[in-house]
Amino acid sequence: SQQGEEDPQALSIQEGENATMNCSYKTSINNLQWYRQNSGRGLVHLILIRSNEREKHSGRLRVTLDTSKKSSSLLITASRAADTASYFCATDDDNTDKLIFGTGTRLQVFP
Amino acid sequence: DARVTQTPRHKVTEMGQEVTMRCQPILGHNTVFWYRQTMMQGLELLAYFRNRAPLDDSGMPKDRFSAEMPDATLATLKIQPSEPRDSAVYFCASGAPESGRASKTQYFGPGTRLLVL
Repeated sequence: SQQGEEDPQALSIQEGENATMNCSYKTSINNLQWYRQNSGRGLVHLILIRSNEREKHSGRLRVTLDTSKKSSSLLITASRAADTASYFCATDDDNTDKLIFGTGTRLQVFP
Repeated sequence: DARVTQTPRHKVTEMGQEVTMRCQPILGHNTVFWYRQTMMQGLELLAYFRNRAPLDDSGMPKDRFSAEMPDATLATLKIQPSEPRDSAVYFCASGAPESGRASKTQYFGPGTRLLVL
């Protein structure tokens, strides 16, 4: 499979805590993206980090990228119940328009 | 508020029946992707189009699935005949024309939840 691996598969935390999800991928990339999927909904783009960037912030989101280890992490700070969703990383296939999605992390934030 | 739309949102059908799912990409987007999502297999790419031309349908069972873009505002995914193992959520996504070091960000529709009995 060309899918990336995400870790952990599932994560349960209390509101206010930080949530960290990790993604590993297999091939060289131009960009890595993170998407969120609420139950019963389509995926929504959250943030993109380019291969020459090491860290990026957007609101309560912090993404890091280590191309030498072919891995990325998504940190959600001060989590809220509304952050409950599945989170997917996606890497681009350089020669096509395709994205290669990871297997996802299911995050549950308890009020 | 530009968004990808999909119809129907839910479909229940009997094995052997034809199923047609429709997608309207965001106006101006030139790539369209069809995905299938199940608990067991996760998110699978079935087919994708660029400027209405099919570029990759290697993920699609050819004997029963077909995907077309009759025009820039409509993409269809058809299953004939349907089987219980086709039960899944089918997502359409579209992407904007690339420029420079493109992001290839995809915008997903709400999905069609298909149940084949």
